[in-house]
This record gives sequence, C-alpha cells and structure tokens, in this order.
Amino acid sequence: DAGVIQSPRHEVTEMGQEVTLRCKPISGHNSLFWYRQTMMRGLELLIYFNNNVPIDDSGMPEDRFSAKMPNASFSTLKIQPSEPRDSAVYFCASSYRPRTDAEAFFGQGTRLTVV
Amino acid sequence: GENVEQHPSTLSVQEGDSAVIKCTYSDSASNYFPWYKQELGKGPQLIIDIRSNVGEKKDQRIAVTLNKTAKHFSLHITETQPEDSAVYFCAAFVDRGSTLGRLYFGRGTQLTVWP
Repeated sequence: DAGVIQSPRHEVTEMGQEVTLRCKPISGHNSLFWYRQTMMRGLELLIYFNNNVPIDDSGMPEDRFSAKMPNASFSTLKIQPSEPRDSAVYFCASSYRPRTDAEAFFGQGTRLTVV
Repeated sequence: GENVEQHPSTLSVQEGDSAVIKCTYSDSASNYFPWYKQELGKGPQLIIDIRSNVGEKKDQRIAVTLNKTAKHFSLHITETQPEDSAVYFCAAFVDRGSTLGRLYFGRGTQLTVWP
C-alpha cells in the first residue's frame, strides 16, 4: 500500500481565496483524521470520521473550515475564505477502528501558506 | 478533556548517550500510549507503543515505561545515533467506547544527536 496520500504537498494562496486539501486514506481503514500542525499550537485534531461519518468536529477552528468524506477512499478539508493565520502544515491520518490501539498512519502533509 | 504534557521541548545529546522524554496525562480513561517520530518534511510515524496493562516495553534501542498510578510515561533511547534526530511526540488514547475515542498529543520534543 502507498500509505496515506495527501495533495497538494505545498499550497501558496492569497488571503480570501478558497483552499481545498485532499486525502486518500489507506485502503481498508475506516477512520480518518485531519490535523493541523503549527509551532505555536503543536498537533491539533481538527475533525475525524469513522465509516465516512464525522464523529468529532470540535477542533474545527471556525465556520471557514469544512471537511467532507464522500466515500471510504477520499476526504477533503476546505478553507473558505483563507486567512494568513491558517498557514500551517495539515496532516491527514487513517487507522482501523474499532481497535482502540490501532496505529494512526500519517500522510506527508500539505504545507499551506496564505499570503 | 485529556491534557498531555511533554518535556523537555528540546533535547541535545552526544552520539552514544541516552535520551529520555517524559509525558504526563490527566484522564484515567486513557489506555493506550503511542510514541511518534517526525522527521523533517514528513508526517509523524509510530515507533513504539504501550498499553495500560503493561508497565514497560522494549524494542532494540528504544523503550517505553508507563506508571498508571502517577499518570506518566516515558520514552528512552539508548546509544543514540545522528539519525535519531527528529521531533518525538507522545500521545494518549482516551477510550470513550466505540468510535468516540481519540488520541491526544503532547507538544513534541526536538531531539538533536551530535556526532
């Protein structure tokens, strides 16, 4: 398996533009997580899905952020409109539930810069 | 919710020396404690984990210990090598049953091993 695949790897956009980050989880995994990593706040869980259903979106910072998982092999995280403070590395991870000790596999991340 | 504290935030050691990273957690429902290593430009990768019914686990040069009573766990790396240089994250899985459990991450430790 190629692992968790995220695209794009890098994104530079102007403030106010819409940004869409994409994730393909590992085949067979039924849980998907979106994290944001910054120097100030470390790794923050934004939202996670189980069997394509959002379970906890309490980490989504604002209504400007939205995430979808239309099927088991694809998820998107959208920011509209983007702001400079959204600049961060965004990671997608997947695992197999209901094993509570299931390893979370991370993608390579998308480095977002909003200017 | 769970609060995971990690110390130190930076750690520099000479090649061949040992490195120890410590974490504490607050929620007694936490029952699984993975450690992740993040190399520059990559996503975090699981290196070792421990479950709440185990006090210690070792895998070659790395070992983890868990003290449930004190709610703290540690990562020990012996005979450090320059390739061990990375950011290390501890995490605690809070089991709320079914699909509601999730990982809480520490802020990370930047380990530098000098040749």
